[in-house]
Amino acid sequence: GEDVEQSLFLSVREGDSSVINCTYTDSSSTYLYWYKQEPGAGLQLLTYIFSNMDMKQDQRLTVLLNKKDKHLSLRIADTQTGDSAIYFCAVSNTGKLIFGQGTTLQVKP
Amino acid sequence: SAVISQKPSRDICQRGTSLTIQCQVDSQVTMMFWYRQQPGQSLTLIATANQGSEATYESGFVIDKFPISRPNLTFSTLTVSNMSPEDSSIYLCSASGGSEQYFGPGTRLTVT
Repeated sequence: GEDVEQSLFLSVREGDSSVINCTYTDSSSTYLYWYKQEPGAGLQLLTYIFSNMDMKQDQRLTVLLNKKDKHLSLRIADTQTGDSAIYFCAVSNTGKLIFGQGTTLQVKP
Repeated sequence: SAVISQKPSRDICQRGTSLTIQCQVDSQVTMMFWYRQQPGQSLTLIATANQGSEATYESGFVIDKFPISRPNLTFSTLTVSNMSPEDSSIYLCSASGGSEQYFGPGTRLTVT
């Protein structure tokens, strides 16, 4: 079945850019999502990209999609301490989401 | 965007009992789903809640253990039946009316 992989941990300094990576196996994935989960909270939809797009930018967030390599990334510019959270990559082709393990982003002041 | 609420937000239950979780969306949506997030883990899809018909369950999840209702386009319930400590998790409802998929705040269940 579909598999989605993420690195588990990323640490950056405040003001730097963060890049969180995700790989997936199902080339028929239609939509690819990034969610943020803060401690004790639910999932916040950050952004998503349709599979026929290569890039999407939304304020400090940039999503890059390499369909050939089945690689998705989320870049957060000017990372702030409030960006510390777990970031989940998820892919879908029927509405059902398959999630990666989540990447814990630690932002050091 | 859709705003999703869940009740209860958390509960502590005894083994062998059942708990019903409610999910309410502030607008009509095409699809509703139930996910489970075990402690320190990612999210796993339990089932798709189908309006007016039986839910569609993922491998490893069965209707007897997780009965689901969806009487209309804005509301769904998930029951966790005959609970054991292994059912201690966060249960999340999600809804989608198109490309965007939103999540409720989750129900944190502890089974003792």
